[in-house]
Amino acid sequence: NAGVTQTPKFRILKIGQSMTLQCAQDMNHNYMYWYRQDPGMGLKLIYYSVGAGITDKGEVPNGYNVSRSTTEDFPLRLELAAPSQTSVYFCASSYSGGFNQPQHFGDGTRLSIL
Amino acid sequence: QQPVQSPQAVILREGEDAVINCSSSKALYSVHWYRQKHGEAPVFLMILLKGGEQKGHEKISASFNEKKQQSSLYLTASQLSYSGTYFCGTGNSGNTPLVFGKGTRLSVIA
Repeated sequence: NAGVTQTPKFRILKIGQSMTLQCAQDMNHNYMYWYRQDPGMGLKLIYYSVGAGITDKGEVPNGYNVSRSTTEDFPLRLELAAPSQTSVYFCASSYSGGFNQPQHFGDGTRLSIL
Repeated sequence: QQPVQSPQAVILREGEDAVINCSSSKALYSVHWYRQKHGEAPVFLMILLKGGEQKGHEKISASFNEKKQQSSLYLTASQLSYSGTYFCGTGNSGNTPLVFGKGTRLSVIA
């Protein structure tokens, strides 16, 4: 039972490069989320999705894009990477039925932009 | 809108108790509690919904006070395994995503 799988686990990018962070879940969850975590700042919501084909902005969406073509996958795209995007990125998922369901987190992607 | 957690950090000896608070400036519909160990992903502990119900998870329990717009997490007879950062996530309705606090770092020492 894999749960939420994120790839890669670590990545170093140069300023201006682009990349896609992958997230897949095998629990048939409709709700999926992308967070970034900076030291001492908690979890900030970047984008979320309540089902395939439906995405919406969270608190800090600038510089990121998402798509949700299947229930299982929710990739996060960084265009023109900037040093401010250095962070730990977590993907999470939860059952449908509103936002008041436990969120299951992946192990995270540690991204450094130099 | 980010909930405020207090204290920011606390150090306990094994067997001692602790309380972590989570306060919001807006009316709360739900409060989630998660624990994150260093270098790992957050792990769900419990959810409290509007109604003031207290929930328990072994020696960890929580309460939700709607009028005060706050929740408290109670850790009883702490163990070394309780060390980590505790986050609350608050929901103002059932139709909006959670907003997480900055976390409370708990260290349990022998």
